Amino acid sequence: DIQMTQSPSSLSTSVGDRVTITCRASQGISSSLAWYQQKPGQAPKLLIYAASRLERGVPSRFSGSGSGADYTLTISNLQPEDFGTYYCQQYYNAPPITFGPGTKVDIK
Amino acid sequence: EVQLVESGGDLVQPGGSLRLSCAASGLDFNRFAMNWVRQAPGKGLEWVAYISSTSGTIHYADSVKGRFTVSRDNAKNSVYLQTISLKDEDTALYYCATGITGWQFPHWGQGTLVVVSS
Repeated sequence: DIQMTQSPSSLSTSVGDRVTITCRASQGISSSLAWYQQKPGQAPKLLIYAASRLERGVPSRFSGSGSGADYTLTISNLQPEDFGTYYCQQYYNAPPITFGPGTKVDIK
Repeated sequence: EVQLVESGGDLVQPGGSLRLSCAASGLDFNRFAMNWVRQAPGKGLEWVAYISSTSGTIHYADSVKGRFTVSRDNAKNSVYLQTISLKDEDTALYYCATGITGWQFPHWGQGTLVVVSS
């Protein structure tokens, strides 16, 4: 199975900052990657799919990039409502699909 | 608006069984593959099972293979997860999730909690 890692595991940042979260797969996944945001007590919310495509209704301050095994989620101009845990998910040659361990974003 | 509502979670002893349900509305259920994804308390997300729109294709995570069975009833817009031989490590919030493309999930339920403990 393809294993996913994320870095950092957590970060504390300020409103207005630019945040970058990295996701690495154990092999190339041909942009078969999604990003989710999860807030406490809520289900995950899809932000990005196919590595860089913004899900409908997601603010444009969220963007995704990458190729091969390495991918990045960027949040520009961080807003207070962007706190939560972010997960990457690969679906290359699914099943199975696998999620990264998550990156917790706190707002200072 | 798409709504997914899970039910059936409970406290169960190790070795026990439960049947989880997920009722869908606001989508053409017959066209959507469905998935179960779980999240242990304070932990990350783990995909559990997949069932295609016609039930013709079914997949399981290795961790539940042989113990969990996914099924659906398109007439009732519902998907089910029958669990047997439950272990402590099956304790989790179980979500149903779906998306028209199959493997990315814009639609999630609120989850149903399964606690396996003696």
